[in-house]
Amino acid sequence: SQKIEQNSEALNIQEGKTATLTCNYTNYSPAYLQWYRQDPGRGPVFLLLIRENEKEKRKERLKVTFDTTLKQSLFHITASQPADSATYLCAPGALNAGNMLTFGGGTRLMVKP
Amino acid sequence: NAGVTQTPKFRVLKTGQSMTLLCAQDMNHEYMYWYRQDPGMGLRLIHYSVGEGTTAKGEVPDGYNVSRLKKQNFLLGLESAAPSQTSVYFCASSSGGAPGEQYFGPGTRLTVT
Repeated sequence: SQKIEQNSEALNIQEGKTATLTCNYTNYSPAYLQWYRQDPGRGPVFLLLIRENEKEKRKERLKVTFDTTLKQSLFHITASQPADSATYLCAPGALNAGNMLTFGGGTRLMVKP
Repeated sequence: NAGVTQTPKFRVLKTGQSMTLLCAQDMNHEYMYWYRQDPGMGLRLIHYSVGEGTTAKGEVPDGYNVSRLKKQNFLLGLESAAPSQTSVYFCASSSGGAPGEQYFGPGTRLTVT
């Protein structure tokens, strides 16, 4: 069955540094991968989408890479701020009926001032 | 625009009771989804709908039923609640174009005793 793995341990970094979160997947060949941010007590919010034929995608301080050979996506936040503290979810998806996503368990990021 | 709203926000049920969770979206989205989120686990898809009058099973459909009588509403029913259904339930919607980002509601925290 499909397996999506994100580091379950919290990632603690200092303000101003670059945070790098990892998403690995097995038994899956997604056509794209989405990243979401989730704050405590709230629903996830979409951040970025990267397609299988794209190596890298950027949006402001965010960067996502997608390596279909390694079956891995990396999510980077540059110049991190305490406001970036949240749980980040990766969600590979296939071009199927319903455009269903399979979510990873998320990685909690803590940015300390 | 309110986006995606969910009713109720919290609910406590006794084993064997039934209830319906309501999801409403005002974005004219075709696709709607119901997920559950448990500690340490990713969001898991329960049921989804690709249009008014249609529903389909997701990853964990047992014990739940859904209906999409109106395009803007997606109902999730629990006919006979069990403690294993204690969870946070999220509704989401997307436009239907692939690969569409999903917009999530604020969640319903359900406890079954």
